[in-house]
Amino acid sequence: KAGVTQTPRYLIKTRGQQVTLSCSPISGHRSVSWYQQTPGQGLQFLFEYFSETQRNKGNFPGRFSGRQFSNSRSEMNVSTLELGDSALYLCASSLRGTSGGPSTDTQYFGPGTRLTVL
Amino acid sequence: GESVGLHLPTLSVQEGDNSIINCAYSNSASDYFIWYKQESGKGPQFIIDIRSNMDKRQGQRVTVLLNKTVKHLSLQIAATQPGDSAVYFCAENNRAGGFKTIFGAGTRLFVKA
Repeated sequence: KAGVTQTPRYLIKTRGQQVTLSCSPISGHRSVSWYQQTPGQGLQFLFEYFSETQRNKGNFPGRFSGRQFSNSRSEMNVSTLELGDSALYLCASSLRGTSGGPSTDTQYFGPGTRLTVL
Repeated sequence: GESVGLHLPTLSVQEGDNSIINCAYSNSASDYFIWYKQESGKGPQFIIDIRSNMDKRQGQRVTVLLNKTVKHLSLQIAATQPGDSAVYFCAENNRAGGFKTIFGAGTRLFVKA
């Protein structure tokens, strides 16, 4: 079974621009979560989508948004990029919510998109 | 607030020795815990998990121990190998407010040959 895929793997943007990142979850997984990873802050939760609805949200400004499509693929968008947005953006998928028990809550991560804002 | 923390940011061990990576969590409502391994340039990889109704779980060369009394989690790696060098994260799942996973800061494990 193919793992979580993310595109693009690397991205360079300038301040003020916007960016869209894409994530394809493991087949059958309906939950997709996004994280920002930086050396100083570690893994920070952005949001989670399940069945095309945002189910949970972290403490990030409104410049960070996302969506999920009917095939569970997800995109996240960052508008008006700032230097501090430079980070590795990770997507994780899981079965959570589709069957009972915490064993289905395991998240499987993609390789990430490395975003550099100049 | 909720937090998952690690006692040691870096750990250096000799190849063949056992490694122990520790983690503290503060939310007693968390019911599921996971350890991830992240190698350079890759996303975190699932290693092992444990439910809150267990205190020990073993995998291949890895064991996770959960002490709910002191809210402590540990990952033990037996016969550590150079390929084990990575950053290890503990994570907790808390169903309050929806499915939410909180990650610790991470511990970097160096394995000396």
